[in-house]
Amino acid sequence: GAVVSQHPSWVICKSGTSVKIECRSLDFQATTMFWYRQFPKQSLMLMATSNEGSKATYEQGVEKDKFLINHASLTLSTLTVTSAHPEDSSFYICSVTGTGSYEQYFGPGTRLTVT
Amino acid sequence: GENVEQHPSTLSVQEGDSAVIKCTYSDSASNYFPWYKQELGKRPQLIIDIRSNVGEKKDQRIAVTLNKTAKHFSLHITETQPEDSAVYFCAETKGGGNKLTFGTGTQLKVEL
Repeated sequence: GAVVSQHPSWVICKSGTSVKIECRSLDFQATTMFWYRQFPKQSLMLMATSNEGSKATYEQGVEKDKFLINHASLTLSTLTVTSAHPEDSSFYICSVTGTGSYEQYFGPGTRLTVT
Repeated sequence: GENVEQHPSTLSVQEGDSAVIKCTYSDSASNYFPWYKQELGKRPQLIIDIRSNVGEKKDQRIAVTLNKTAKHFSLHITETQPEDSAVYFCAETKGGGNKLTFGTGTQLKVEL
């Protein structure tokens, strides 16, 4: 399977600031990347789908102006949480998949804490 | 509908016993059903998956069964070991797409 990394692995920021999370596919041409959010003791919730070179498609209820996604290459996608608030504190996980593939390969996640 | 129901939410078994987790979906177009194991603070790991054209799949102590008529699929773990303790999630993808919808999760605890 694909090797996927995320950076940073954890971050603490102050309310009102912005945080950028990187997702890298190290050995796989990721035509599609997904971003999930997972609150404690809950399931993974899909936030958005991004295809390389295209605008991301956001799930219902996810603010596209608050969660900025860029997928500029087949190996890198970034998620920027703008004007973060304590309720944005969560575990953010990316995954990658290839064209015509069902299987998703997950990154190790980024723990965001907003104080 | 978009939901995947998963039961039970918690499951405690004795080491060596079997564990069964069941998920129910609503869309007949769903065609891919993976199961993930997630340890605390870590990424979900794919443990087994099944396509809609198959009724059962087995990999050593783990098996998945799919009943398309009833729209449910189950994870079976035999000869459970303490290292099987984790949260397990089922998921599904709709036909023609690759977006995953996850179940609510099952906390499995294997006791010595």
